[in-house]
Amino acid sequence: AQSVTQPDIHITVSEGASLELRCNYSYGATPYLFWYVQSPGQGLQLLLKYFSGDTLVQGIKGFEAEFKRSQSSFNLRKPSVHWSDAAEYFCAVAFSYNTDKLIFGTGTRLQVFP
Amino acid sequence: NAGVTQTPKFQVLKTGQSMTLQCAQDMNHNSMYWYRQDPGMGLRLIYYSASEGTTDKGEVPNGYNVSRLNKREFSLRLESAAPSQTSVYFCASSEAGQSFSTDTQYFGPGTRLTVL
Repeated sequence: AQSVTQPDIHITVSEGASLELRCNYSYGATPYLFWYVQSPGQGLQLLLKYFSGDTLVQGIKGFEAEFKRSQSSFNLRKPSVHWSDAAEYFCAVAFSYNTDKLIFGTGTRLQVFP
Repeated sequence: NAGVTQTPKFQVLKTGQSMTLQCAQDMNHNSMYWYRQDPGMGLRLIYYSASEGTTDKGEVPNGYNVSRLNKREFSLRLESAAPSQTSVYFCASSEAGQSFSTDTQYFGPGTRLTVL
């Protein structure tokens, strides 16, 4: 079955430290990949997305993600975390063009200590 | 430009009561969606509307109905609420009327619903 896995439920980092949030998907073909962020009490906001081309994708707020086909992964990274990055992060995958299903991972909650 | 708005923000219902969640977008988007978010389960699609006048079931449609009132508004109705419908409900919209799964979706702030 098609699925998206975010192995880390909760991550804590110090402000200024680097960050990597993991996302893995199960499927053979190249999917369409998204990262969304949800601040407390808010809806989701798109950080970045990947459809094709350069496997390193730049997004908003200084985030980037790298698609690795061999590992079926699309990990989100940021070199230096700010306290305002504390939020929940969702990886989402569409497994084909023009499908009616965007599958979300279960989310990773990021806590930032000063 | 308010984006996607949802009302109400919070609601408590008793089992068997009905209610309608309202959603509106002012971005002239074609597609609109309703999701529910439950702890440890991510977001799951309830219904979507690829264009005005059309609606389709998503992953978890049972117990819900929707109406695409016009291009701006997409409502979600619970006819007889059950405790299993306690959740946070998000409305979203996207520009494309086709292949919506690859288009950026813009989310509202959510409605937190509790069914006792």
